[in-house]
Amino acid sequence: NAGVTQTPKFRVLKTGQSMTLLCAQDMNHEYMYWYRQDPGMGLRLIHYSVGEGTTAKGEVPDGYNVSRLKKQNFLLGLESAAPSQTSVYFCASSYRGIRRMNTEAFFGQGTRLTVV
Amino acid sequence: AQRVTQPEKLLSVFKGAPVELKCNYSYSGSPELFWYVQYSRQRLQLLLRHISRESIKGFTADLNKGETSFHLKKPFAQEEDSAMYYCALISGGSYIPTFGRGTSLIVHP
Repeated sequence: NAGVTQTPKFRVLKTGQSMTLLCAQDMNHEYMYWYRQDPGMGLRLIHYSVGEGTTAKGEVPDGYNVSRLKKQNFLLGLESAAPSQTSVYFCASSYRGIRRMNTEAFFGQGTRLTVV
Repeated sequence: AQRVTQPEKLLSVFKGAPVELKCNYSYSGSPELFWYVQYSRQRLQLLLRHISRESIKGFTADLNKGETSFHLKKPFAQEEDSAMYYCALISGGSYIPTFGRGTSLIVHP
């Protein structure tokens, strides 16, 4: 099993450009998440999905859009990149555990995005 | 609303010293609590969860509902423990983890 795979690993964008980050998981997890990691701010939830075809806003959704057309994939889009979106982005997935078992999140390796 | 607080951004100790990384949470129900670790330039990975009551790599954490804390402890720190540690909470009915801001642990030789 590959687990959670993110592409690309690195990217430099110019202000105003758009891009899509792809997250794929092969664990048949229902839940998927996008976080951004910034120094001193920890992990902040951007958007999440509780199942195929569903998405919801997290703590810091502005400037981002997401789609989950297939259960195994969760895409994060930046329509018009801004320098404030320079960050490390992590995708994660988790199982909808029963009786509070196996509910931990599995993370991708991260995407380091710089917006200049 | 649920919240996870890690009061220390940085914890610096010498090899062999005891380590305690603090985590406090606010949630009125029965939470699930986790510690995740992120080694340099790597992905976050689960270290331990309160339900399992296990010791991983010498680390333990006890859930104290009275103090709403889930501190991570290790009696003798090793250099390879140097990493970023995140405390996380899942509340009943929601499986979306809320993370603290993280504590960077540096273990000096």
